[in-house]
Formats: sequence, structure tokens, C-alpha cells
Amino acid sequence: GENVEQHPSTLSVQEGDSAVIKCTYSDSASNYFPWYKQELGKRPQLIIDIRSNVGEKKDQRIAVTLNKTAKHFSLHITETQPEDSAVYFCAGGSTSYGKLTFGQGTILTVHP
Amino acid sequence: DTGVSQNPRHKITKRGQNVTFRCDPISEHNRLYWYRQTLGQGPEFLTYFQNEAQLEKSRLLSDRFSAERPKGSFSTLEIQRTEQGDSAMYLCASSYRGLETQYFGPGTRLLVL
Repeated sequence: GENVEQHPSTLSVQEGDSAVIKCTYSDSASNYFPWYKQELGKRPQLIIDIRSNVGEKKDQRIAVTLNKTAKHFSLHITETQPEDSAVYFCAGGSTSYGKLTFGQGTILTVHP
Repeated sequence: DTGVSQNPRHKITKRGQNVTFRCDPISEHNRLYWYRQTLGQGPEFLTYFQNEAQLEKSRLLSDRFSAERPKGSFSTLEIQRTEQGDSAMYLCASSYRGLETQYFGPGTRLLVL
């Protein structure tokens, strides 16, 4: 089955800096890669996703890149703000099967 | 609120008791998923339904766990003879067939004493 590894486990940045979180996956059949943000005590919320037919996707300050050959994908947050502080999870899955396999999470702290 | 809802939000039970959780998905979504999340970890897939059909179950889902979605709308997850290791957040998510975005509910936090 799919295995998703996520790094780093914690990331601390100053407000205005960029943050990058990286994930690798094992199953070449995976073709859908969402990123979720989870604040303490709240539900995971989708912030951006990418499908395997696309190499990069951007939404304002957030971007995701995908390298299918190397089986890794990354989340990039620019101009970080204190409200970006949360746990971020990457995930991989197949649009044929639906289930997602999540990474272990990255605790992002943005210092004012 | 038209999002995914779950009840109860919190459940404390004694070891050996049975518990049942409910999930109400977004109304037009025909896929429904159950995940379990322990502290400091990402959600782990348990099972999923397309309409009323249970299409996949994880090896994590022991015989003590059962899930149903009888009319293709809400779903229940039952844990029989609870163990302390069952303590976790149980998350439900739903999606619309053909679109992969999974929307999560607030979860049910289970504590087994």
C-alpha cells in the first residue's frame, strides 16, 4: 500500500519568511495529493491539492509542486503570517479508490 | 451549517463497553470515509462507502469495529468491547464522486478508561 513520509516534523519561521514542507510517496498509482491544515482541536481543512497531470499549482501565498519521477511533492507558503501557525498534513491517494494516506504532519510556528 | 457533522463530539467510556458514533456527510456527497487520528499523527484510513456500499476496510479495522451506511446518507461507526488503545479522534469525511476533495467533520474524541 501507499506510504507517505513528511519532513520536517517541526518548522519555525519568522513572519514574512517562506516555509517549505516536503513529502514523498511510494505508490506510483497515486495521482492525487492534497494538503490539509489543522489547527488545535479543529478539523483538517483542505488548503490546496494537485493532481498528477500537473507539475505546479498556486493559490495566492500557497503553492504546491509535484515531481512524479522522484515521487515527491512540496508545499510552499510565502510571506508567512502568525495565523499560518498550525499542523500541516500532506496526503496521497488515487482518484480511483478514494482513500487518502497521510503524512505524519508538520507543526509550523510563525513568530511575529 | 452545510458541512460534515459528527455526534457526539466527545465520548468517555469504560473499557469493555460498546460505543457508536454518527456522521452526517454533506448532502450531495455519495462517498463517506472514516479515519482515526491519534495525538501527533496524521489521520489513518479505516473504511469508506460509496452510497451504501462499503468498498474498502483497512487492516486497522479489527472485528470489534463495524461501520454502516444503510441508506447512503448518514453513517455509524460502532466499536464493541472498547480497549484503551481505541482512544483517539475519529474523523469522518465526505466527497462527491468524481471529485476527490474530502471534507472533514469535527471528529468524535473517544477516551476509554
